[in-house]
Amino acid sequence: GAGVSQTPSNKVTEKGKYVELRCDPISGHTALYWYRQSLGQGPEFLIYFQGTGAADDSGLPNDRFFAVRPEGSVSTLKIQRTERGDSAVYLCASSPSGGGYGYTFGSGTRLTVV
Amino acid sequence: DQQVKQNSPSLSVQEGRISILNCDYTNSMFDYFLWYKKYPAEGPTFLISISSIKDKNEDGRFTVFLNKSAKHLSLHIVPSQPGDSAVYFCAASPNAGGTSYGKLTFGQGTILTVHP
Repeated sequence: GAGVSQTPSNKVTEKGKYVELRCDPISGHTALYWYRQSLGQGPEFLIYFQGTGAADDSGLPNDRFFAVRPEGSVSTLKIQRTERGDSAVYLCASSPSGGGYGYTFGSGTRLTVV
Repeated sequence: DQQVKQNSPSLSVQEGRISILNCDYTNSMFDYFLWYKKYPAEGPTFLISISSIKDKNEDGRFTVFLNKSAKHLSLHIVPSQPGDSAVYFCAASPNAGGTSYGKLTFGQGTILTVHP
């Protein structure tokens, strides 16, 4: 597709459950980023992939959060034992080769943990 | 520790006038700065950027100014239009190289409302 696609657009889950959020980047973009945006805040960096490898995962808040990009294209953000504080919009972005240039964001997945 | 700050949560401007959105940063490793615009239920959209080697970058109605000594940047929109009403985020990226390249640190955002 032409843009970054994120599915689902909305996800409601119960506290303690496991969720997966999917990101389909722009074709050919080697760099992929995950951000989390809480209400009233700007997006906060979670993890950055260059190809298949996580080049920087310093933003993942704890070990309940994990992300993969096995073939260097689609990425999945996985959250175990969800907590109410995980409720936020999870944004994915891709860029041609890394760097702040040419970043394109998806519309995000709004996660609500009840 | 908020490394990028947008101290004005909101700004209201009359159509045709100038909108000035401000942003301050604390990390001297930042050398590339961007402004994003965000509509509800959409992802942020890139607007304009500036490298630390410049102090001004202009693109149509949008101009970004960078004052490195003050660690301050601003976005000027002139003339403002009702369609500019959105949340504006300032973001910063560190020096090229290393694994942090491309990692953006965002401010909290400023809600701009342009009245007809």
